[in-house]
Amino acid sequence: AQSVSQHNHHVILSEAASLELGCNYSYGGTVNLFWYVQYPGQHLQLLLKYFSGDPLVKGIKGFEAEFIKSKFSFNLRKPSVQWSDTAEYFCAAIPYANAGNMLTFGGGTRLMVKP
Amino acid sequence: DGGITQSPKYLFRKEGQNVTLSCEQNLNHDAMYWYRQDPGQGLRLIYYSQIVNDFQKGDIAEGYSVSREKKESFPLTVTSAQKNPTAFYLCASSLSGQSTDTQYFGPGTRLTVL
Repeated sequence: AQSVSQHNHHVILSEAASLELGCNYSYGGTVNLFWYVQYPGQHLQLLLKYFSGDPLVKGIKGFEAEFIKSKFSFNLRKPSVQWSDTAEYFCAAIPYANAGNMLTFGGGTRLMVKP
Repeated sequence: DGGITQSPKYLFRKEGQNVTLSCEQNLNHDAMYWYRQDPGQGLRLIYYSQIVNDFQKGDIAEGYSVSREKKESFPLTVTSAQKNPTAFYLCASSLSGQSTDTQYFGPGTRLTVL
């Protein structure tokens, strides 16, 4: 069965530090990949997504992610975090050919940014 | 104000009782989903529906039931057969249910079974 792994469950950074959150998926075929974010007290919302083309995708609020097919990875990055980036981040994947849009989510990473 | 609404925000029930969680969307989306969120486990799909009067089981459908009588509504019933119902439940919708669609999420309902 397809799975998505996020290796860091909790990350604590100081403001202006660089961020990289790991995400690995287990599906061998073509996949669509997503990063969602859940800010405290807010709805889960899309940060960015990758379907095809340039493996470096840019999302909202200065986030980007790189798809590395050989490593089955889709890591999320931000050069300089802000206190407002404190949130829980979820990686998700779905086989391209999936007819039901059944996303598989990773376990989430809680990021705390200290001011 | 377009979006997905879930009610109530907090719900308390006694063990052995069925409870129904509401989900409504005014985005005119065809597809709707129910997820369960538990700490450290991310979101797990309970049921999804791509069209009115049709729905499919997700990864953890046992102990749950749904209906899709109207496009905008997708209520979830947590039955007494669900062994561990205390959790945060999220409803989502997407335009058509294709694998490239973005899913839009509601604010969630936190269910506590006493």
